[in-house]
Amino acid sequence: GDSVTQMEGPVTLSEEAFLTINCTYTATGYPSLFWYVQYPGEGLQLLLKATKADDKGSNKGFEATYRKETTSFHLEKGSVQVSDSAVYFCAQGARNEKLTFGTGTRLTIIP
Amino acid sequence: DAGVTQSPTHLIKTRGQQVTLRCSPKSGHDTVSWYQQALGQGPQFIFQYYEEEERQRGNFPDRFSGHQFPNYSSELNVNALLLGDSALYLCASSLDEAGSAFEQFFGPGTRLTVL
Repeated sequence: GDSVTQMEGPVTLSEEAFLTINCTYTATGYPSLFWYVQYPGEGLQLLLKATKADDKGSNKGFEATYRKETTSFHLEKGSVQVSDSAVYFCAQGARNEKLTFGTGTRLTIIP
Repeated sequence: DAGVTQSPTHLIKTRGQQVTLRCSPKSGHDTVSWYQQALGQGPQFIFQYYEEEERQRGNFPDRFSGHQFPNYSSELNVNALLLGDSALYLCASSLDEAGSAFEQFFGPGTRLTVL
């Protein structure tokens, strides 16, 4: 079945460091791919998305590229801030179907 | 735009009781999905409603049931609560539209504690 595997956390970085959170997926079709972020005590917010191979999603300095050949959608940011501390979820989904999430990666940024 | 709203925010129940959680979708959205998020885990899909019908269901027992109303709002009902039902219940809404990225927008969740 469809699944998402993402880098286990927790991840701790210093402010202004480079961030990569790995995500790979297995799917029978051609899903859209998403990164969601969850701040403490809150629901999930959509961070970025990509709908087809080689699409790059970007938002708030974060980027991820839909790589069909490696079935990956790694999240990157060039310079993280303390305010980026949160839990990040990689997910896949298709129209009229459920989202399948990874287990989440907790990110902590130290000043 | 109010976004997705859920009520109540928190709920405490005892084993064997029944609970109803409510969700209002983002304005213009017609599809509602429910997810269960256990502590430290990713959300797990419960079911999805579209046009007042359950369109897809995840691997959850029949104790979990739902409903969608003509105004697209939705309820999640859980009967015979178990300790393991303690979790954050998330509602997400989306628009069933050809060519869309099928983005789902999430509410803040209802934290259910079963004692």
